[in-house]
Amino acid sequence: AQSVTQLGSHVSVSEGALVLLRCNYSSSVPPYLFWYVQYPNQGLQLLLKYTSAATLVKGINGFEAEFKKSETSFHLTKPSAHMSDAAEYFCAVSVRDEKLTFGTGTRLTIIP
Amino acid sequence: EAGVTQFPSHSVIEKGQTVTLRCDPISGHDNLYWYRRVMGKEIKFLLHFVKESKQDESGMPNNRFLAERTGGTYSTLKVQPAELEDSGVYFCASSRWDRALGETQYFGPGTRLLVL
Repeated sequence: AQSVTQLGSHVSVSEGALVLLRCNYSSSVPPYLFWYVQYPNQGLQLLLKYTSAATLVKGINGFEAEFKKSETSFHLTKPSAHMSDAAEYFCAVSVRDEKLTFGTGTRLTIIP
Repeated sequence: EAGVTQFPSHSVIEKGQTVTLRCDPISGHDNLYWYRRVMGKEIKFLLHFVKESKQDESGMPNNRFLAERTGGTYSTLKVQPAELEDSGVYFCASSRWDRALGETQYFGPGTRLLVL
């Protein structure tokens, strides 16, 4: 069985500062890894997906994540936070590209 | 291309009543998933359809939950009778295979269910 741990249920960063949201996974087989974002009153939107093609994955809105097998991590970063990045972010894992197992989510607040 | 739609967006019912949630997937998507997020917890898988067949229903909580996907198009999730612990946000997702990303799930906005 696979699992996901997101460190920090709430993260606050200043506008223009680096965003770092942490995700560690557990999987007995090579996983697919995802980051989804949920803006207020909206559904989940895919930010990026790791498919083993490249360890550094670039997503939408300037986000990227790096797959580190030795650390079983898939942390999400953005060099410069924008007010519009305020949302809840979910890390997820799947095997064989089927059902997703999610972390508990990290709510990102941007300080003006 | 229209996204995944869900109806209703909100539902408030009393314990013991019945509620039916509907999901319309993206046209042409054979795979349809239901997930649920109870307040403060992680989003959890409920079940997976491939066309009209249930591929995996290992996440369904109990037999008060019944999911159908007639004709392999839209899906319904019925809760009968509803209990307080069924409150949460119910998400639907559909997916198709893409050469670049493989199978990718696209989520609807969710139905917020409150059982009083």
